Amino acid sequence: DGGITQSPKYLFRKEGQNVTLSCEQNLNHDAMYWYRQDPGQGLRLIYYSQIVNDFQKGDIAEGYSVSREKKESFPLTVTSAQKNPTAFYLCASSISPRQVDTEAFFGQGTRLTVV
Amino acid sequence: AQSVTQPDIHITVSEGASLELRCNYSYGATPYLFWYVQSPGQGLQLLLKYFSGDTLVQGIKGFEAEFKRSQSSFNLRKPSVHWSDAAEYFCAVGTYSGNTPLVFGKGTRLSVIA
Repeated sequence: DGGITQSPKYLFRKEGQNVTLSCEQNLNHDAMYWYRQDPGQGLRLIYYSQIVNDFQKGDIAEGYSVSREKKESFPLTVTSAQKNPTAFYLCASSISPRQVDTEAFFGQGTRLTVV
Repeated sequence: AQSVTQPDIHITVSEGASLELRCNYSYGATPYLFWYVQSPGQGLQLLLKYFSGDTLVQGIKGFEAEFKRSQSSFNLRKPSVHWSDAAEYFCAVGTYSGNTPLVFGKGTRLSVIA
């Protein structure tokens, strides 16, 4: 079955450590996205990538980094510079950002807890 | 830039009652509109979408939504709610150019009581 796989589902890290969240899709989608979800805040865009080897900052990129070396993979690194990293992180993809009738497909999320 | 407002943070309805979740958008041109549902600890699932044509769109799980340009609204409705509909619902707007990611509202949490 085609879809988006995020791993791990739960992640615990000590304060000050960098951590990388995995996102893989086998939908052959060009565009991929990372959102952060906090209670009452909805989904806030961290980074997005419209094509391999290219990505753009979203609304809350500070303290995060990404790479897009392969079409199917878009890992997110939460660095020690992120002031409040504990949150639920969602990865999504869409066929192409230039195809107007496109919706986003979501993974099951990773809950990161920093202690 | 486009934006989405979901005025209701939390709604409680009785099982079997009708439901309407409100969504208002701000965008200068014809928007592309979506409703997603999220169960606790899960990802988002698309319920329905509006791109053009008939302003009343049907989705999965018995949901429908109506696009009203004059009111900049895209409200989600269901005639009879089931306990399994308890979840968080997100409205989202996309742009005609398709070059920017979807913008989401803050969500409405739906509780269903017996």
